[in-house]
Amino acid sequence: EAGVVQSPRYKIIEKKQPVAFWCNPISGHNTLYWYLQNLGQGPELLIRYENEEAVDDSQLPKDRFSAERLKGVDSTLKIQPAELGDSAVYLCASSKGTSGLNEQFFGPGTRLTVL
Amino acid sequence: QKEVEQNSGPLSVPEGAIASLNCTYSDRVSQSFFWYRQYSGKSPELIMSIYSNGDKEDGRFTAQLNKASQYVSLLIRDSQPSDSATYLCAVNRMDSSYKLIFGSGTRLLVRP
Repeated sequence: EAGVVQSPRYKIIEKKQPVAFWCNPISGHNTLYWYLQNLGQGPELLIRYENEEAVDDSQLPKDRFSAERLKGVDSTLKIQPAELGDSAVYLCASSKGTSGLNEQFFGPGTRLTVL
Repeated sequence: QKEVEQNSGPLSVPEGAIASLNCTYSDRVSQSFFWYRQYSGKSPELIMSIYSNGDKEDGRFTAQLNKASQYVSLLIRDSQPSDSATYLCAVNRMDSSYKLIFGSGTRLLVRP
């Protein structure tokens, strides 16, 4: 079974530029998560999708971040414009269901560097 | 107070020893608990989940949960140098958010 796929793996951009990250979850997993991980810290949830609906985006900085999950499968996370403080690893995860008992599996992440 | 607390380490143990990693959490409504292993430059990998008080064993790994003390631990028996990584404790509330809250992780070093 293929795992969570993310691209690109690395991205270097100048500040104020836009950037987008793509995620394909594990087949059959209805719930998709985007996390942000800073160095030396655990991942922090940005947004959770159940199928195509964003059910928890309370931690997403909506002035510059946006996300979509068309057709309830792939998802894209966008930052526009990027700031220096956005440099981090962006992780996508998926789980089969929506209860707290469901295990979440992470993709390889996208390491973003904003210069 | 952080919602999930872990000692940052590093915890250094000799090869073949038992490594004991600890985690405390503050929210009493937390009901499910997970241990992830993260190698440097890699993403978190799920190694154990536990939902009920007591012990759960999987190979060399044992997760222990004590909800009354709000404490969860991970024991790694016969530690190998390949176990050297950061171990993240994650806690999931059973409210509508289903948000996974992570600790900052404990770095484990297994000396050959």
